[in-house]
Amino acid sequence: EIVLTQSPGTLSLSPGERATLSCRASQSVSSRGLAWYQQKAGQAPRLLLYDASSRATGTPDRFSGSGSGTDFTLTITRLEPEDFAVYYCQQYGDAPQTFGQGTKLEI
Amino acid sequence: QVQLVESGGGLVKPGGSLRLSCAASGYTFSDYSMSWIRQAPGKGLEWVSHIGKSAVTEKYADPVKGRFTISRDNAKNSLFLQMDSLRDEDTAVYYCAKRTGLGTPYDSWGQGTLVTVSS
Repeated sequence: EIVLTQSPGTLSLSPGERATLSCRASQSVSSRGLAWYQQKAGQAPRLLLYDASSRATGTPDRFSGSGSGTDFTLTITRLEPEDFAVYYCQQYGDAPQTFGQGTKLEI
Repeated sequence: QVQLVESGGGLVKPGGSLRLSCAASGYTFSDYSMSWIRQAPGKGLEWVSHIGKSAVTEKYADPVKGRFTISRDNAKNSLFLQMDSLRDEDTAVYYCAKRTGLGTPYDSWGQGTLVTVSS
């Protein structure tokens, strides 16, 4: 199965700053099979981006995704207070689907 | 709007059984595949099982294969997970989530139900 490794484990930033989160796959992932989810404390995950760079309904345009092959990036420009959460990448193009271990974005 | 509401979680002894339910509303349930995804306390997300929109396709993660059974009732807009031979390591919040089909992301999630396996 494809193992996804997210880095860093924890990212400490301030509102207004730019965040760059990485997701690295153990083997090539179809760019049409990579998603990013946001999970706030005590809540269910929420789909942010799919197909590596397409925003889900309701995702603000300060969130963007890029990458291909084995390296993918989630970028959040101008962090808002509500963006501090845990972010997971997921590959769904190869069976079994797998999730990364998460990156905690903290103030 | 889309709503997924899980129920059926609780405390169960190792070796015991539990049946989770997920009630769907706000969309045409029979048009979408469904999955169960779990999250152990303080840990990440782990896919558990998938069922196709007409229940012809079922898939399971290796750790639960042979112990868990996924099913759905399209007439009642409901998804189920029968969990047998439960182990300590099955302790987690279990989420139901919808997707268009295999090879697509999860566009809606329920709030989760906690399953605790402990003696």
